[in-house]
Amino acid sequence: KQEVTQIPAALSVPEGENLVLNCSFTDSAIYNLQWFRQDPGKGLTSLLLIQSSQREQTSGRLNASLDKSSGRSTLYIAASQPGDSATYLCAVDRGSTLGRLYFGRGTQLTVWP
Amino acid sequence: EAEVAQSPRYKITEKSQAVAFWCDPISGHATLYWYRQILGQGPELLVQFQDESVVDDSQLPKDRFSAERLKGVDSTLKIQPAELGDSAMYLCASSLGTSGISETQYFGPGTRLLVL
Repeated sequence: KQEVTQIPAALSVPEGENLVLNCSFTDSAIYNLQWFRQDPGKGLTSLLLIQSSQREQTSGRLNASLDKSSGRSTLYIAASQPGDSATYLCAVDRGSTLGRLYFGRGTQLTVWP
Repeated sequence: EAEVAQSPRYKITEKSQAVAFWCDPISGHATLYWYRQILGQGPELLVQFQDESVVDDSQLPKDRFSAERLKGVDSTLKIQPAELGDSAMYLCASSLGTSGISETQYFGPGTRLLVL
């Protein structure tokens, strides 16, 4: 069974800092990897999706990298803002017709002014 | 922008009662997923539909949970009877379901269930 681990579990930083969230997975046979954002009590918003053939994806201040062979992904957030405060979830997709996502427990990020 | 709709947003019930959640996927999306997210954990898939057919319910506790998608559009997830351990966020997601392989999933706002 695919296991997804996210480190750290929680992170608190002052506004303006650049930060890195880590995700690792046990089975490198993945189809893609996604990063989601979840605000308290809300659903999930997809931030970035990296296909297994890609090394990274960028959207605004967010950059996600993927090293499939080592089973790792990082989400880099540049110039953090208080509005970035949320839980960030990593999910991997094995690419079967079933399309099940395997999620980590998330990193709870707090950016204070 | 099209969104996945869920109702109710919050539900409080007593153990042994029956509860039901409703999901309306994005129009035209053939694949529908129900996930359960326990506080502090990541979501876990309960059941997946392709049109009106169940394609994966291996993690669904079938003694008390049931799910249906009769016309291949909206879906209902039911718990009967509810137990204290069922307290969680229930998330619905949908995807196009036309490529035959994994696609981007779009999530609804979720239903938060509290069982007393």
